[in-house]
Amino acid sequence: GAVVSQHPSWVICKSGTSVKIECRSLDFQATTMFWYRQFPKQSLMLMATSNEGSKATYEQGVEKDKFLINHASLTLSTLTVTSAHPEDSSFYICSASPAGGRNEQYFGPGTRLTVT
Amino acid sequence: GIQVEQSPPDLILQEGANSTLRCNFSDSVNNLQWFHQNPWGQLINLFYIPSGTKQNGRLSATTVATERYSLLYISSSQTTDSGVYFCAVAGNEKLTFGTGTRLTIIP
Repeated sequence: GAVVSQHPSWVICKSGTSVKIECRSLDFQATTMFWYRQFPKQSLMLMATSNEGSKATYEQGVEKDKFLINHASLTLSTLTVTSAHPEDSSFYICSASPAGGRNEQYFGPGTRLTVT
Repeated sequence: GIQVEQSPPDLILQEGANSTLRCNFSDSVNNLQWFHQNPWGQLINLFYIPSGTKQNGRLSATTVATERYSLLYISSSQTTDSGVYFCAVAGNEKLTFGTGTRLTIIP
């Protein structure tokens, strides 16, 4: 149980284009999902908290107009990197907590974004 | 926010050895999780342990919440145990990750 999927697992895009990453909880409902970013050989940094049916809460220093988050249902959150630039290249990971349970988070497999 | 420190940063062991990884945190927490990040980047949940002791096979963990630290024990290490181990804590719902311990098990 408690499986989280992400799609795509990797993506290469040209500078200036937008990329959408999907995060799905496959066997549970999640009122809250989280998006993290990880640079090589570094730890995970929380970018934003996504709540179903409401606006996401962004961490300090994260541009909300650049990283658009939509949490349209209890099993799906999307992260869109708009007008991507090479410095946006990173490993993006989502997580979800089962609704009504303890606050344990389960993580997706991650999406590796390369902007050329 | 909460500060999380992990030690040691790197650990190289022979197969079959035991190891102890430590996580110190700066404030009271209601969530503490240990993860293993495999070479493909997937974070695997090892323990949800805001307090107390748990065991799962060769792995066990102890959190002493009043002293703000947690320990992860790995016994009889195998090469598949290699990777980065993260501790993450939360005082509310947002997890703060430590810097990780990179474990390398040599055959």
